[in-house]
Formats: sequence, C-alpha cells, structure tokens
Amino acid sequence: NAGVTQTPKFQVLKTGQSMTLQCAQDMNHEYMSWYRQDPGMGLRLIHYSVGAGITDQGEVPNGYNVSRSTTEDFPLRLLSAAPSQTSVYFCASSPRTGAYQPQHFGDGTRLSIL
Amino acid sequence: DAKTTQPPSMDCAEGRAANLPCNHSTISGNEYVYWYRQIHSQGPQYIIHGLKNNETNEMASLIITEDRKSSTLILPHATLRDTAVYYCIVRPSNFGNEKLTFGTGTRLTIIP
Repeated sequence: NAGVTQTPKFQVLKTGQSMTLQCAQDMNHEYMSWYRQDPGMGLRLIHYSVGAGITDQGEVPNGYNVSRSTTEDFPLRLLSAAPSQTSVYFCASSPRTGAYQPQHFGDGTRLSIL
Repeated sequence: DAKTTQPPSMDCAEGRAANLPCNHSTISGNEYVYWYRQIHSQGPQYIIHGLKNNETNEMASLIITEDRKSSTLILPHATLRDTAVYYCIVRPSNFGNEKLTFGTGTRLTIIP
C-alpha cells in the first residue's frame, strides 16, 4: 500500500515551459486535492476533486489546470510556468464518509521556475 | 471557516509534555478543531480532532475549553521526532474534508 505518490520529487523549469505534476493514490479515496506551500507559509489549496470527473477551484487556482479521469490519479498542469509558481506542491487524498477522515498527503514536489 | 491564532514558535524539553495553544474565538457551533503537523517539509500528518469533548489518541490529547474559543494540543512525552510545525485548523465536519485552510502554525522545537 503506497498511499499517495507524487512524481517527480524535484523539477526545474524555465519560464514559459509547461509541465504536469503527477499524483496517484491506491486507497480508492474519492477526494483529492492539490496544495502549494511557499517558504515560511502554510499550505494553500489550488484545486480539488470530490470524485472522478468532478473538479473545482481552491484559493489559488490561476495558472493551473486539473482533471480527474480516474479515481486513482489527479494530475496538476502548469500551463506556462512563471517564477511566482516556484513552490513545494503537495497532493492529498481522503475518503468520502459520513464521519471526518483525515487527509493523507504525499511527500511533495519541489518545483523551481527560472 | 473560523480563523485560528497560534504562537509562531515554542520550545519544549525532551521527555516533558508539550502544550500547544490555539485561539479560535469565532468558532461556530458546527465547527471542529483539527490538528496536523508537518515534519521537516514532509507532507502534513493528521494528529487529532474534536468538537467539544476532550479527545485522546495514541499520538496526543486535545483539550477544548468549555466555551470552545480555544484549545490545547498536548504531546505527553515529547521526543526529538516531535520537532515540527503544528497547525490548528477549524472547519465544519461535513463532506468538505477535501479542503483545509492552513495558517502558519507553531514551530515546536524539542530540546535534548
């Protein structure tokens, strides 16, 4: 049981390049989310999904796209990378139940935009 | 979601109890208090949550005041591995657990 797996762990991009951050979970969780964490700050929600085919915007969605074609995968796409998107990106998942279930986080992708 | 206020940093001696406070004076009746921690830039880890009764699990205890305007996370016997940033989060317990609002938290340092 791998939990939440994020790839790559590190990436350096040039301004204007595009790329996709991968997130996969093997726990059959309905909910998945993407956060970014800037130095000295807490996590901020980018996009989230409550199930396959359903996505919505979080607090800081500009410059990012997501899709959820399967329960397991929730990729985050940077359309045209900007230095302001240099950050650590975390993916999380949780099950949909009647009671609170904690989010399970991946180990993060450290992204630098030059 | 209600706002929370936490001290930016705290120290605690190894083996002693670490008491981390959190103020949430605007908390609503249907909002729970959740605690997560983040060890050295890893992904956050869930610790505990509660509504109004005190809660305890294998990691920690959560004490919520009677008026629910503040709470304290207690790590009973802190170890060096408890050095981390601790986040106190307040939000309703419904199907919105895919969205969490993290503040800047408390950086807890356990001193040998």
